[in-house]
Amino acid sequence: DAGVIQSPRHEVTEMGQEVTLRCKPISGHNSLFWYRQTMMRGLELLIYFNNNVPIDDSGMPEDRFSAKMPNASFSTLKIQPSEPRDSAVYFCASSLSGGYNEQFFGPGTRLTVL
Amino acid sequence: AQTVTQSQPEMSVQEAETVTLSCTYDTSESDYYLFWYKQPPSRQMILVIRQEAYKQQNATENRFSVNFQKAAKSFSLKISDSQLGDAAMYFCAYMWEYGNKLVFGAGTILRVKS
Repeated sequence: DAGVIQSPRHEVTEMGQEVTLRCKPISGHNSLFWYRQTMMRGLELLIYFNNNVPIDDSGMPEDRFSAKMPNASFSTLKIQPSEPRDSAVYFCASSLSGGYNEQFFGPGTRLTVL
Repeated sequence: AQTVTQSQPEMSVQEAETVTLSCTYDTSESDYYLFWYKQPPSRQMILVIRQEAYKQQNATENRFSVNFQKAAKSFSLKISDSQLGDAAMYFCAYMWEYGNKLVFGAGTILRVKS
């Protein structure tokens, strides 16, 4: 299995631009998670989906952030407009739902907003 | 709210020696899981070991073992025979029953000296 795939691996953009991060979960996994890692706040959960449905988006910082999962094999995290404080590493993870199943993490996308 | 605390921002160990990383957590739940993740410089999040709260026996994975003290809400990681490849950031994480969400500590940087 290829594992969780994220693209791009690095993104540099200017303040005010729209940014879209992409994630392909492991085939067969039906839970998907978006995390953000910063020096100040550490690793924090932004949103998670179960069977393509958003279950908990309480970690999404503000309306500039949105996430979608149109099908079982693809999810996006969009920031519009982006701000310098959005600079972080964004991780996608997937797992089987139900019980305590291991979450498998993608390699992350390092976002820099100038 | 569930919180995870790692009080050691950084630790050092001599190659082949043993080191223990500390973690405490706060929860009112009775059933939950605890995890240790490793994040090397590559950024990839790697599951090291996990412990189910209802199990008295401490989990062990090769050179990695935990000391789980449920009453004290303590979950430390012991690395025996430390190797250069163990150098990384280590995160303690908590998942509660049916929650599917991981709550991470701030992390401990482990340096291994040759």
